[in-house]
Amino acid sequence: GAGVSQSPSNKVTEKGKDVELRCDPISGHTALYWYRQSLGQGLEFLIYFQGNSAPDKSGLPSDRFSAERTGGSVSTLTIQRTQQEDSAVYLCASRLTDGTGYTFGSGTRLTVV
Amino acid sequence: SQQGEEDPQALSIQEGENATMNCSYKTSINNLQWYRQNSGRGLVHLILIRSNEREKHSGRLRVTLDTSKKSSSLLITASRAADTASYFCATEGGSARQLTFGSGTQLTVLP
Repeated sequence: GAGVSQSPSNKVTEKGKDVELRCDPISGHTALYWYRQSLGQGLEFLIYFQGNSAPDKSGLPSDRFSAERTGGSVSTLTIQRTQQEDSAVYLCASRLTDGTGYTFGSGTRLTVV
Repeated sequence: SQQGEEDPQALSIQEGENATMNCSYKTSINNLQWYRQNSGRGLVHLILIRSNEREKHSGRLRVTLDTSKKSSSLLITASRAADTASYFCATEGGSARQLTFGSGTQLTVLP
């Protein structure tokens, strides 16, 4: 597609429930990133996928967070047993090669109540 | 952890004036990038400057990089009300493939 697409755009969930967030990167972009942004804060790196290489999961805050990327394209970020501190905007980005700018999606605003 | 730190945290200027935002970082980098964010959602890539470059221009944007001081500045000339947004610097360096973002500068351009 023309841009990075994320769904849903907004998600309200009850504490303790699992959620799945989806990202469709730009076609042909081999690198895909997940970040999260709490209100008024900078972006916190979560996970990075590059082609068929093992993902860099060093930013995942706990084992409740996981992500996969199927067929080198669509990615899903799963948060199990959500907590209120998980409330944030989750942003996905892709890029074609190292050393170039990222293209970001519009994000998913997650609210845990 | 935050690599880049922007200052000021907030900047308010009149339309037509120039806006300057600064970014400092701590470790060696391959490149430094500036992004703009409206309304707390997706970021838009503005400009990338490599570690061997000192200055770069794109339209009304001018970016400088001083690797000896580990700092960068973003200048927006002849600002417009539509430039109102948060601006983030982000660094990419070493073996890490992800960008590390600062906490941003909130720019308000008054009409």
